[in-house]
Amino acid sequence: NAGVMQNPRHLVRRRGQEARLRCSPMKGHSHVYWYRQLPEEGLKFMVYLQKENIIDESGMPKERFSAEFPKEGPSILRIQQVVRGDSAAYFCASSPRTGMYTEAFFGQGTRLTVV
Amino acid sequence: AQKITQTQPGMFVQEKEAVTLDCTYDTSDQSYGLFWYKQPSSGEMIFLIYQGSYDEQNATEGRYSLNFQKARKSANLVISASQLGDSAMYFCAMRDYGGSQGNLIFGKGTKLSVKP
Repeated sequence: NAGVMQNPRHLVRRRGQEARLRCSPMKGHSHVYWYRQLPEEGLKFMVYLQKENIIDESGMPKERFSAEFPKEGPSILRIQQVVRGDSAAYFCASSPRTGMYTEAFFGQGTRLTVV
Repeated sequence: AQKITQTQPGMFVQEKEAVTLDCTYDTSDQSYGLFWYKQPSSGEMIFLIYQGSYDEQNATEGRYSLNFQKARKSANLVISASQLGDSAMYFCAMRDYGGSQGNLIFGKGTKLSVKP
């Protein structure tokens, strides 16, 4: 049973370019969470999605960031017109259901570097 | 507001000794879950152990145990018989329904270094 798959593992973008981060949840998981980890910090929640629906995007910056989880295919976190401050590790986690007792399985992360 | 506090930025432990990593939390909810994750230098997040707020016994998973003191709102991770491979960042996290249907709230982490 493959784990949560994120790609690419490393992504370098120039300021002003777009970054697309992909996350394939574990088989049977329909709940996806995106987190951002700045250097020397813990993970910060960005957005929670179920298939074709954004459930909570309270942690997403209001501009340039968007996320989707289509019926078919991986979840995508999209960052438009990247700036140096977007450099971080972006983690995706998936769960089979919601609930406080439900473990979230994390992918290996995508390390975005903006130059 | 929900909050996780890890007061130890870095810890050292001698190989084969036990170590306790501190975690305190703040929530007004009665129902919540507490998690510990390990992040080695390679960067992935590895789930270690879980404690539910209604669990009467402390959780254990192999060499990991969670010292849960509900009245003090603490959930310390105890690693017994430390190994060199335990050197990593350790994050405490909480999930409750005060947040958005179950997203995790993380502390800033503790960097554990195991000395040979």
